[in-house]
Amino acid sequence: RKEVEQDPGPFNVPEGATVAFNCTYSNSASQSFFWYRQDCRKEPKLLMSVYSSGNEDGRFTAQLNRASQYISLLIRDSKLSDSATYLCVVNRPNSGYALNFGKGTSLLVTP
Amino acid sequence: NAGVTQTPKFRVLKTGQSMTLLCAQDMNHEYMYWYRQDPGMGLRLIHYSVGEGTTAKGEVPDGYNVSRLKKQNFLLGLESAAPSQTSVYFCASRTGTGLSEQYFGPGTRLTVT
Repeated sequence: RKEVEQDPGPFNVPEGATVAFNCTYSNSASQSFFWYRQDCRKEPKLLMSVYSSGNEDGRFTAQLNRASQYISLLIRDSKLSDSATYLCVVNRPNSGYALNFGKGTSLLVTP
Repeated sequence: NAGVTQTPKFRVLKTGQSMTLLCAQDMNHEYMYWYRQDPGMGLRLIHYSVGEGTTAKGEVPDGYNVSRLKKQNFLLGLESAAPSQTSVYFCASRTGTGLSEQYFGPGTRLTVT
């Protein structure tokens, strides 16, 4: 089983829509959780860290359920500029804070 | 600050050739990483370093060697390139504390023919 699994996508949504991405992870020893954004052929960039209490950054809300090892990302009022691949990321225990990445979910926001 | 830089940006190798990819960071970060990204797959950890002079194997280390002689540099070597090593290689670094972010370089696109 892959360490981090995500919805395969792609997600095509109109501007202004709300879209949700889901992710599960297999290693219960993981302690750090993130969503990264990757634009075509570019490096990944941190979108937000994910905390057990849930956290919000503008139009983006992330949730973590440690009991079911599930992470989510909600994007409200989608913009054209949100089009990208969203990577669910979990730390690799005992690997110097290295990261395990999901394959990513592609989002295309259309006019 | 330049952040994390990678050299070269692109390279084409023939099978059996060797090369070194250079990663440099100017943020005084302790931890550095090499990942590879293949189509339809997430980034996978090749090797990592928790400080100057230290290295460790990641998920897919075979066919690669690394060195961290200076804190700011992390080198990835391919001794005898194979077509299976065609990939995009990303270097990253972070500080040694808590939930700090990993900063990624722009990537090196390597093709082995």
